[in-house]
Amino acid sequence: GENVEQHPSTLSVQEGDSAVIKCTYSDSASNYFPWYKQELGKGPQLIIDIRSNVGEKKDQRIAVTLNKTAKHFSLHITETQPEDSAVYFCAASTSGGFKTIFGAGTRLFVKA
Amino acid sequence: DAGVIQSPRHEVTEMGQEVTLRCKPISGHDYLFWYRQTMMRGLELLIYFNNNVPIDDSGMPEDRFSAKMPNASFSTLKIQPSEPRDSAVYFCASSFYYNEQFFGPGTRLTVL
Repeated sequence: GENVEQHPSTLSVQEGDSAVIKCTYSDSASNYFPWYKQELGKGPQLIIDIRSNVGEKKDQRIAVTLNKTAKHFSLHITETQPEDSAVYFCAASTSGGFKTIFGAGTRLFVKA
Repeated sequence: DAGVIQSPRHEVTEMGQEVTLRCKPISGHDYLFWYRQTMMRGLELLIYFNNNVPIDDSGMPEDRFSAKMPNASFSTLKIQPSEPRDSAVYFCASSFYYNEQFFGPGTRLTVL
């Protein structure tokens, strides 16, 4: 089955710096890669997603890149702000199926 | 729309008792998912439904766990009998076809 590995588990950055979280997946059939942000006491919330026919997607300060050959995808947050502090999860799933497999999560701290 | 609604938000019970978690998905969504989140195992998909029909329950840990979706606006996850290792946060999520999953606020279950 699919396996998603996520690094780092914890990331601390200074406000205004960039943050990068990396994930790898094992199933070459996976073609949908969402990223979720989870704040304390809340459920995960989708912040950006990418499908396998696209190599990069950007939404304001957030961007995601996908390398299908290497089975890598990454989340980039620029100009970080304290409110970006949360746990971020990458995930992967295959077309026609909804069995989304989540990474272990990255706890991001943005220091003011 | 109020989003995905889960009840109760917190549940404390004793080992051996029956526990029922409830979920109301977003109106119009045709997929419903149950997840479990723990520190050790992260976010795991337990089961998902399409149009009220269970599609994949391979993530359900044991026969003690069961889930139903009697109609499009209600689902339950039942644990009988409960055990301390079932302590976790249980999330319900819903989506419309192959799109973003919207998570509820979760139910924090503690089994003593």
